[in-house]
Amino acid sequence: KNEVEQSPQNLTAQEGEFITINCSYSVGISALHWLQQHPGGGIVSLFMLSSGKKKHGRLIATINIQEKHSSLHITASHPRDSAVYICAFSPGGSEKLVFGKGTKLTVNP
Amino acid sequence: GAVVSQHPSRVICKSGTSVKIECRSLDFQATTMFWYRQFPKQSLMLMATSNEGSKATYEQGVEKDKFLINHASLTLSTLTVTSAHPEDSSFYICSARAQNRFTGELFFGEGSRLTVL
Repeated sequence: KNEVEQSPQNLTAQEGEFITINCSYSVGISALHWLQQHPGGGIVSLFMLSSGKKKHGRLIATINIQEKHSSLHITASHPRDSAVYICAFSPGGSEKLVFGKGTKLTVNP
Repeated sequence: GAVVSQHPSRVICKSGTSVKIECRSLDFQATTMFWYRQFPKQSLMLMATSNEGSKATYEQGVEKDKFLINHASLTLSTLTVTSAHPEDSSFYICSARAQNRFTGELFFGEGSRLTVL
């Protein structure tokens, strides 16, 4: 059974704090995605990675294939970062995505 | 970056009517598009994979006769919810996989919130 677990489910931070969201999965994957879902529902793809680390602005995503674990970091968090962050993966050999339940991040000013 | 436009963003309809949702890739060609459904406080669930010029592939438990998918061009896929019922009320969202300069990245539409009265 394909499974993906995210932690924490909810996260509240003060502006400026360093944020880490974790994602663990149980099967071999071809790629892992980090997505951001805004309150209105729209989704933005933040990262797609299959190894190592990627950085975009204040966002950093890492993945450890051996440990089947990925993390999303936000440096110098800002209230506009408030959203649901979703980890999703493509099981090896498949184009389909399996989604985590998301982490709701609230950054207070 | 690439843009996927989804329309309408919100729709309210009466039970028994049909609703069509469009998903367009605006600046890239998408041979494959995906349709998802999300109930409140739940994960996105894949409904079907839409391939240009061929029949869609539906996930287990998704009725193909109820959720009609048409992918007639490289930039447009449509999802029609036929004979909608209140239990079909949900957030529907599409994604498109870019085949050219974006090398396989996924881009999501803004989603369509369907309310069936």
